[in-house]
Amino acid sequence: GESVGLHLPTLSVQEGDNSIINCAYSNSASDYFIWYKQESGKGPQFIIDIRSNMDKRQGQRVTVLLNKTVKHLSLQIAATQPGDSAVYFCAENPRDDKIIFGKGTRLHILP
Amino acid sequence: AAGVIQSPRHLIKEKRETATLKCYPIPRHDTVYWYQQGPGQDPQFLISFYEKMQSDKGSIPDRFSAQQFSDYHSELNMSSLELGDSALYFCASSLFPRQDPTGELFFGEGSRLTVL
Repeated sequence: GESVGLHLPTLSVQEGDNSIINCAYSNSASDYFIWYKQESGKGPQFIIDIRSNMDKRQGQRVTVLLNKTVKHLSLQIAATQPGDSAVYFCAENPRDDKIIFGKGTRLHILP
Repeated sequence: AAGVIQSPRHLIKEKRETATLKCYPIPRHDTVYWYQQGPGQDPQFLISFYEKMQSDKGSIPDRFSAQQFSDYHSELNMSSLELGDSALYFCASSLFPRQDPTGELFFGEGSRLTVL
């Protein structure tokens, strides 16, 4: 079936190191991808998005990479901070009126 | 800046009861989405509305219904509640042009429904 998924349910990273969170999607028709951050008890918060006509987009401390050939999306967080602890979801828009979320990755920051 | 407002934030109901969740989108946003998130799960799309008309439907049970009103707020009505309906229900709003997303999807803080 159509799905967006993440490779690891949990990722532990040392504070100050870079984090890389991966996601695989299966819907070739999707042309818009988003990364969300969800802290405990809160709603998903937009981090960064990317259109299918791009392969890289940078924000503040975050970079999203899109590899359409292998249907892979990744989120890189530079110099990970304690406030980055959260569950991260990738999501796709398969050219209709909804966003489909993948399985989340919980990011733990080690002191 | 105004955000998406959801009410109530917490709700406790018994099995077979009815519940109504409300969502007030960001001003001028014309599209509303409802998601259900079980414990440790990813948000599952339920239904969306664009300009007061249902625009897409996901895994919404037949016991649930929703609508968007003339002021763009939306309500999710849940009847014959089951234990498995216990979850966080998120509403999101956007100003997406249909079929051509160019903006963010803004989420509310969610309504936590507990069915006993």
